[in-house]
Amino acid sequence: AQTVTQSQPEMSVQEAETVTLSCTYDTSESDYYLFWYKQPPSRQMILVIRQEAYKQQNATENRFSVNFQKAAKSFSLKISDSQLGDAAMYFCAYCGNQFYFGTGTSLTVIP
Amino acid sequence: KAGVTQTPRYLIKTRGQQVTLSCSPISGHRSVSWYQQTPGQGLQFLFEYFSETQRNKGNFPGRFSGRQFSNSRSEMNVSTLELGDSALYLCASSPGTRYNEQFFGPGTRLTVL
Repeated sequence: AQTVTQSQPEMSVQEAETVTLSCTYDTSESDYYLFWYKQPPSRQMILVIRQEAYKQQNATENRFSVNFQKAAKSFSLKISDSQLGDAAMYFCAYCGNQFYFGTGTSLTVIP
Repeated sequence: KAGVTQTPRYLIKTRGQQVTLSCSPISGHRSVSWYQQTPGQGLQFLFEYFSETQRNKGNFPGRFSGRQFSNSRSEMNVSTLELGDSALYLCASSPGTRYNEQFFGPGTRLTVL
């Protein structure tokens, strides 16, 4: 079975600084997608960014970008110019035949 | 389009009881997935329904069951509740083709006393 590992249960970042959240996964599939989801306190989970495994180019969405290393099965999320509204739980997810989620990283943004 | 809705939002039950949670997907979405979220465990996949058929199933006991109706609305049932079933239950919908992102509802917070 596929597994998704987020080794950083908690992270913190100063406002306006950059932070990188780590994610590794294990799979034998060659075709899959990867996602980062954000879950603010008491709010709905929303998609931050997605990466198709067949694409070598790293996905970017405004201040959010990923570093996708397919051979290493690594998929980290970089948040630039961190804002107070970025404080949330971040989940890395793998999608092959079904979705698998990591245990999440709680991000605190310090004013 | 309206988002994914879940009812009820909060529920308190006692051990041994059963509970039914409801999820209405985004209009046009044919796939509905259910997850159990607990602190430290992240999201655990329960099952996925597509066109009224269970397409995938996670590793949960048979006390957890679900179904999907012809309008894609889905229900999840937990029988003989245990204290450990206390969790946030999330429903997510997607168009149904592979690799689509999932759109999540606000969740149902179930507390078992």
